Amino acid sequence: DQQVKQNSPSLSVQEGRISILNCDYTNSMFDYFLWYKKYPAEGPTFLISISSIKDKNEDGRFTVFLNKSAKHLSLHIVPSQPGDSAVYFCAASAGTGNQFYFGTGTSLTVIP
Amino acid sequence: KAGVTQTPRYLIKTRGQQVTLSCSPISGHRSVSWYQQTPGQGLQFLFEYFSETQRNKGNFPGRFSGRQFSNSRSEMNVSTLELGDSALYLCASRTGTSALVDEQFFGPGTRLTVL
Repeated sequence: DQQVKQNSPSLSVQEGRISILNCDYTNSMFDYFLWYKKYPAEGPTFLISISSIKDKNEDGRFTVFLNKSAKHLSLHIVPSQPGDSAVYFCAASAGTGNQFYFGTGTSLTVIP
Repeated sequence: KAGVTQTPRYLIKTRGQQVTLSCSPISGHRSVSWYQQTPGQGLQFLFEYFSETQRNKGNFPGRFSGRQFSNSRSEMNVSTLELGDSALYLCASRTGTSALVDEQFFGPGTRLTVL
């Protein structure tokens, strides 16, 4: 049972434009969400997180939006750069000390 | 600060064999989690160890087991290997003691191929 879903396996965006990666979840107990970026032959790298008490969190070019009523979060990258080309995973957790549930990933390609 | 290290990086085994993978967490981190990554399945959670005790467990058969040592290093063992066990096995560490949810830091993974 996939509690965190990323329905777009891949996304292509022109350099300089906005990249929007989406993630849906089913468990209403999730209260902490994270995005990871993964390059080939490397482990995932933490990118940005958001707590359920917020609906937006920004860090430089990266912004995560959380819509709790829709059980949906998105990652916006503006402007997109070729170095952003990677697989992006969203993850969710219900409370401290509990496991993280990961989505299946979205492969982002930023075209120069 | 050194990152999470995993050994070996690559491994080839045959069906029926067993394998042991090792993970050394970031210094000071007491929690170690293991994940299996296969194409189209994302990261599937195997288990988490905290202070030598299994704290969380995913939905994997008993052939998958783990342990954690007093220095927080962890090992994962897979017995009676099957072709479907071919995957990238990732280890992640976190402090595990924060009152807030703390993010995990991943190692580079061990690529296991079962022939």
